[in-house]
Amino acid sequence: DTGVSQDPRHKITKRGQNVTFRCDPISEHNRLYWYRQTLGQGPEFLTYFQNEAQLEKSRLLSDRFSAERPKGSFSTLEIQRTEQGDSAMYLCASSSGQGGNIQYFGAGTRLSVL
Amino acid sequence: QQQVKQSPQSLIVQKGGISIINCAYENTAFDYFPWYQQFPGKGPALLIAIRPDVSEKKEGRFTISFNKSAKQFSLHIMDSQPGDSATYFCAATGHNFNKFYFGSGTKLNVKP
Repeated sequence: DTGVSQDPRHKITKRGQNVTFRCDPISEHNRLYWYRQTLGQGPEFLTYFQNEAQLEKSRLLSDRFSAERPKGSFSTLEIQRTEQGDSAMYLCASSSGQGGNIQYFGAGTRLSVL
Repeated sequence: QQQVKQSPQSLIVQKGGISIINCAYENTAFDYFPWYQQFPGKGPALLIAIRPDVSEKKEGRFTISFNKSAKQFSLHIMDSQPGDSATYFCAATGHNFNKFYFGSGTKLNVKP
């Protein structure tokens, strides 16, 4: 069990570019969550997968955001046409859905949009 | 509308003292309330969680008190230590765990 892994740890991009982040959950965890966290705030829910199915998506999420979990293992989060307001820490968490649904978080990907 | 409101924003406690962080919610469909601890550069880590069918849960120095009628819950850290200095978040979710709502966080500083 190596924990939840996120790649890259840091991403600097220019406004208007597309970026993609990857999350590798703990093996055999069927639940996967994406959150966005800005400085001084709590994590804000973006989307939730159970296995490969995307079951929940925040209404705050614009159409520029898309997430996939094609084989029910790793997940990707893509932001198209990035804006300066997208600058934040993007966190991924996974859980097995048992024992009270303990979410294990990765260290996050910090995105800076210039 | 913020689903979970957390206070205070920051807290300074002397070593050995009691740290108390409060949260309030509106949605009565919430039925799982975890607390997370986050250190700089790390993701949040689950500390302790409670369901509304109990009024208190204790794990070591950490206790959650839950008031269902007031829709409030709080985290108490007994015998606070400098190593407890971190940011703490309360959260809430419904029975299917599909969506978690987090408070805005409390930055705790325990002075030696």
